[in-house]
Amino acid sequence: KAGVTQTPRYLIKTRGQQVTLSCSPISGHRSVSWYQQTPGQGLQFLFEYFSETQRNKGNFPGRFSGRQFSNSRSEMNVSTLELGDSALYLCASSPSLFYNEQFFGPGTRLTVL
Amino acid sequence: QKEVEQDPGPLSVPEGAIVSLNCTYSNSAFQYFMWYRQYSRKGPELLMYTYSSGNKEDGRFTAQVDKSSKYISLFIRDSQPSDSATYLCAMSKGAGNKLTFGGGTRVLVKP
Repeated sequence: KAGVTQTPRYLIKTRGQQVTLSCSPISGHRSVSWYQQTPGQGLQFLFEYFSETQRNKGNFPGRFSGRQFSNSRSEMNVSTLELGDSALYLCASSPSLFYNEQFFGPGTRLTVL
Repeated sequence: QKEVEQDPGPLSVPEGAIVSLNCTYSNSAFQYFMWYRQYSRKGPELLMYTYSSGNKEDGRFTAQVDKSSKYISLFIRDSQPSDSATYLCAMSKGAGNKLTFGGGTRVLVKP
């Protein structure tokens, strides 16, 4: 069974731009969560989607948003990029909301110049 | 103060030694506990998953949870150079899937 895939793997943007990252969960998994990983803050929860609905949201500004499609694929968007948004963005999937084990993709490394 | 504390290391051990990792947490609502391994420039890989207090063994890995002390541990027996990675503890309060992570411990296993 294929794992979680994320595209693109690497991205370079400049301040003020916006970016969209994509995540395809493991086949059959319906819950998708997004995390930001930085050297200073570690792994921090962004949001979680299940059945195309955001079920949980972390403590990030409104510039960070996401959505989930009917096939469980998910996208996250960051608008008006700031230097501090440079990070590894990780997507994780699990079969359902009531299944705590999460399986991570390789991440998208975003660099904001 | 962070909800989950983890010594950042690095923890350097010779090949074949036992690696001992731990995390402490402050929120007694955490019920589910996980350990992930992350190689450089890769996503975290789930190693162990435990519910509530107790021990769980899987091959060379043993996870322990002591909820009364708010303390979890991971032991790696017969460590190999390929075990060199960052180990992250994570925990959740239940259904809803939000994971709270420790900062990770970098482990170096020297041949």
